[in-house]
Amino acid sequence: ETGVTQSPTHLIKTRGQQVTLRCSSQSGHNTVSWYQQALGQGPQFIFQYYREEENGRGNFPPRFSGLQFPNYSSELNVNALELDDSALYLCASSLGGVVFGPGTRLTVT
Amino acid sequence: KNEVEQSPQNLTAQEGEFITINCSYSVGISALHWLQQHPGGGIVSLFMLSSGKKKHGRLIATINIQEKHSSLHITASHPRDSAVYICAVVPCNYQLIWGAGTKLIIKP
Repeated sequence: ETGVTQSPTHLIKTRGQQVTLRCSSQSGHNTVSWYQQALGQGPQFIFQYYREEENGRGNFPPRFSGLQFPNYSSELNVNALELDDSALYLCASSLGGVVFGPGTRLTVT
Repeated sequence: KNEVEQSPQNLTAQEGEFITINCSYSVGISALHWLQQHPGGGIVSLFMLSSGKKKHGRLIATINIQEKHSSLHITASHPRDSAVYICAVVPCNYQLIWGAGTKLIIKP
């Protein structure tokens, strides 16, 4: 199986709630990165996981957390959602090349 | 100054024109990506370059490591090429540094 999949594709949450976004990596890719892309802006690096360990983190608060599983799939968790968390969340898996998922569009109301 | 600069920011052209988008960067890199994003859509990786030139269909990407410059060319442009094209560099790991993107509109 090829490609990176993300779920859900769209999500609407209320301020203060928690959300979990999921990403299935391309087969064989052991590194996964998460990015936040606000409307009209470029993607911002959230964090990266390599073989289940966090391998780098961008300028995001601790309420953004993640997990990588033994099959290299990954989750992004965001607690205490704020209106500014509304964005497209992109997952990218890599092993040499980079493959991006289609993204999850999160709207916080 | 941003570490990755793209030009132009916006480009409108007629169908069939030859398109060039430029990317300059100021950090040492192991690779450079050209990415495409359609409105409201996810990101598609077009090329990953570490040297020389790559071609895929009507798309050509070149990189000059010494000059820290890359270009993306589109030959015989078509309205379906309308998208945002993003240059992203890989300094030492996969924490990509992104350019601001070039919004391309191809008119029929």
